[in-house]
Amino acid sequence: DAGVIQSPRHEVTEMGQEVTLRCKPISGHDYLFWYRQTMMRGLELLIYFNNNVPIDDSGMPEDRFSAKMPNASFSTLKIQPSEPRDSAVYFCASSPEGLNTEAFFGQGTRLTVV
Amino acid sequence: GENVEQHPSTLSVQEGDSAVIKCTYSDSASNYFPWYKQELGKGPQLIIDIRSNVGEKKDQRIAVTLNKTAKHFSLHITETQPEDSAVYFCAAYSWGKFQFGAGTQVVVTP
Repeated sequence: DAGVIQSPRHEVTEMGQEVTLRCKPISGHDYLFWYRQTMMRGLELLIYFNNNVPIDDSGMPEDRFSAKMPNASFSTLKIQPSEPRDSAVYFCASSPEGLNTEAFFGQGTRLTVV
Repeated sequence: GENVEQHPSTLSVQEGDSAVIKCTYSDSASNYFPWYKQELGKGPQLIIDIRSNVGEKKDQRIAVTLNKTAKHFSLHITETQPEDSAVYFCAAYSWGKFQFGAGTQVVVTP
């Protein structure tokens, strides 16, 4: 397996624009996680899915953030409208068994909102 | 909720020496403690983990110790090599919640 695949690797957008980040988890993994990494706040769990169903979205910072998982092989994280403080590296990760087991991270998407 | 504190924030070691990173957690119900290594431009990667029913675990040059009474756990890297240079994160899991520490930048100098 190629691992967790995220796209794009880099995204630069203007404030107010909609941003969509994409993730393909490892085949067979039932759990998918979205994390955000910043210097100020470190690694934060935003939301996670089990079998395509959102389980805990308490880490989503605001209503401007939304995540979907329409099928087992694809998930999106959307920010609408984007703001400069959303600039961060966003990671998608997947695992076969949940939060209390090894998570396999993608390469991340570096988002810059200007 | 769970609060994980990690120290030090940076660590410089001579090649061949040992490195130790310490984390404390607040929730006594925490029962899973992984350590991740993140190299520049990459996502974190698990290097070792420990569950609350074990006090120590070793994998070649890497070991983790857990003190449930004191609520702290540590990562030990022996015989450090330049490729050990990276950012290391501890984390703790408790009742459906997962929290990372702030990270430790480790630099191994030849």
